[in-house]
Amino acid sequence: QVQLVQSGAEVKKPGASVKVSCKASGYTFTGYYMHWVRQAPGQGLEWMGRINPNSGGTNYAQKFQGRVTMTRDTSISTAYMELSRLRSDDTAVYYCARVDGDPTYWYFDLWGRGTLVTVSS
Amino acid sequence: SYVLTQPPSVSVAPGQTARITCGGNNIGSKSVHWYQQKPGQAPVLVVYDDSDRPSGIPERFSGSNSGNTATLTISRVEAGDEADYYCQVWDSSSEHVVFGGGTKLTVL
Repeated sequence: QVQLVQSGAEVKKPGASVKVSCKASGYTFTGYYMHWVRQAPGQGLEWMGRINPNSGGTNYAQKFQGRVTMTRDTSISTAYMELSRLRSDDTAVYYCARVDGDPTYWYFDLWGRGTLVTVSS
Repeated sequence: SYVLTQPPSVSVAPGQTARITCGGNNIGSKSVHWYQQKPGQAPVLVVYDDSDRPSGIPERFSGSNSGNTATLTISRVEAGDEADYYCQVWDSSSEHVVFGGGTKLTVL
């Protein structure tokens, strides 16, 4: 079964870091770029960046440069998104999502169910 | 950076046609994708590459893209279509994915 399984909800204090995992199954992990998208409560979708699971190369949205790190472990078909120096406005559901093919035509055909990260003192 | 503009809300009666727009500078030159998101769920792709439908998506969902506006059209709207809809493109100049702000479709 083709799916992305994300890690469970997290509660963090301001200034801390969080690392969310996304385990792929049912397809060749290294064959598809993995992206991370977040959604604050009652807000829209916000793209955070992507990782090439094959090479490990990354590209981050300018907003998150310096605070986000995307990595992967090909031996267990898992992608990770770590966000540091958390603030209350980082409270959101974080999704991993798969794309295929040429970036010009990139669309997300497979999504994880999301991981709620709550930042609160 | 590239900006996509969607109306915050669209309302339609059951059985009628809903049209959700997505505006962007020369968006007609880009490939536009649309997602449906129901409360508490992950987004679901409903239209890709302007007008193609993934398997399992009803023919009632269609898309078009020209000039500065892309449009998602939902024919014969049903109560189950009530959701938030997002458009998305790839911005080659920034090498970033861009989402529209989302449109809440209300079925009256």
